[in-house]
Amino acid sequence: DQQVKQNSPSLSVQEGRISILNCDYTNSMFDYFLWYKKYPAEGPTFLISISSIKDKNEDGRFTVFLNKSAKHLSLHIVPSQPGDSAVYFCAASEAGNQFYFGTGTSLTVIP
Amino acid sequence: ETGVTQSPTHLIKTRGQQVTLRCSSQSGHNTVSWYQQALGQGPQFIFQYYREEENGRGNFPPRFSGLQFPNYSSELNVNALELDDSALYLCASSLYSENEQFFGPGTRLTVL
Repeated sequence: DQQVKQNSPSLSVQEGRISILNCDYTNSMFDYFLWYKKYPAEGPTFLISISSIKDKNEDGRFTVFLNKSAKHLSLHIVPSQPGDSAVYFCAASEAGNQFYFGTGTSLTVIP
Repeated sequence: ETGVTQSPTHLIKTRGQQVTLRCSSQSGHNTVSWYQQALGQGPQFIFQYYREEENGRGNFPPRFSGLQFPNYSSELNVNALELDDSALYLCASSLYSENEQFFGPGTRLTVL
């Protein structure tokens, strides 16, 4: 049973525009959420996180939004750059123990 | 500061064999987690080790076992390999009190 879902396997965006990656979860006990970026032949790299006490966290070009009532989070990248092309995973945990990952969204930023 | 390293990079085994994968944690990290990432899937949590003890386990059978050593490096052992064990195995280290995990590049295991 997939507790974290990323329903869009892929996304293409023009350079300079906004990229929006979405993630849904089913477990209302999740209290910490993270986004990872993964390039081929490398392990996932931590990008940004948010705890359930917040609804927004911003770090440079990256902003994560959390809607607890909808059990939905999104990652906004603006402006998108070609170097952002990668697979993005969202992950969630309850009390930081076991992390549940989505299946990933492959982002392609077109120059 | 040294990042998380894993060895070997690639490995080919046959069904029924046993395999040991190794992970060196990032300097200063005392917790290590192992994940299995099948093709087209996200990483699936196998187990976590803290202070050389298993500290949580995902939905994996007992033939998946692990060790953590006093220097916080870790091993993942898989016995009686099955074809479905073919995957990328990721190790992630962290501080026990922190949520942020740092991943290694992974070991690609192929079971024939």
